[in-house]
Amino acid sequence: KNEVEQSPQNLTAQEGEFITINCSYSVGISALHWLQQHPGGGIVSLFMLSSGKKKHGRLIATINIQEKHSSLHITASHPRDSAVYICAVTPTHDMRFGAGTRLTVKP
Amino acid sequence: EPEVTQTPSHQVTQMGQEVILRCVPISNHLYFYWYRQILGQKVEFLVSFYNNEISEKSEIFDDQFSVERPDGSNFTLKIRSTKLEDSAMYFCASDRDSNQPQHFGDGTRLSIL
Repeated sequence: KNEVEQSPQNLTAQEGEFITINCSYSVGISALHWLQQHPGGGIVSLFMLSSGKKKHGRLIATINIQEKHSSLHITASHPRDSAVYICAVTPTHDMRFGAGTRLTVKP
Repeated sequence: EPEVTQTPSHQVTQMGQEVILRCVPISNHLYFYWYRQILGQKVEFLVSFYNNEISEKSEIFDDQFSVERPDGSNFTLKIRSTKLEDSAMYFCASDRDSNQPQHFGDGTRLSIL
């Protein structure tokens, strides 16, 4: 069983739509990460959180430690948001990754 | 903004050969990591490195693999006796401490023929 599960696997949205990507994990963690992987393969860290909620521009990440669940929200989505969004957790000094959610935002 | 740099961007090697993938972490970072991503699959943790020693490694990181920080700036991943299944994108990352987000390099695409 995967330690980090993401849903949905694929998501297509129209420009301007509100988007939610979900992540559930089954191990104890020190932090949860949301990463963005561009079509060229590069990975960018969007958020690192261990409790509550963080916001950066149009992106919002929340985590519920008791339920072992996190969500990534994108408000007013734009075609440039099209990428793979990856949830990852750090139990200690390693990082365990979800399979990613491929987001396509159409104009 | 400082970046993690990886070289080469693409490495093609014959099966059985040794390869060294190079990374220059951000200069004031103390923790270093290698990950790999086989085409079409999820990213997998290989190893973390702190204070000149391995702090954690995955089951993938067997005797075929080794890491080294040969000087104050480079962090290398050596793969001995490469196999076809070692073909993947290899990412290096670094952070200042475990409470900070990791910064990733652009990756090295390794192709084993």
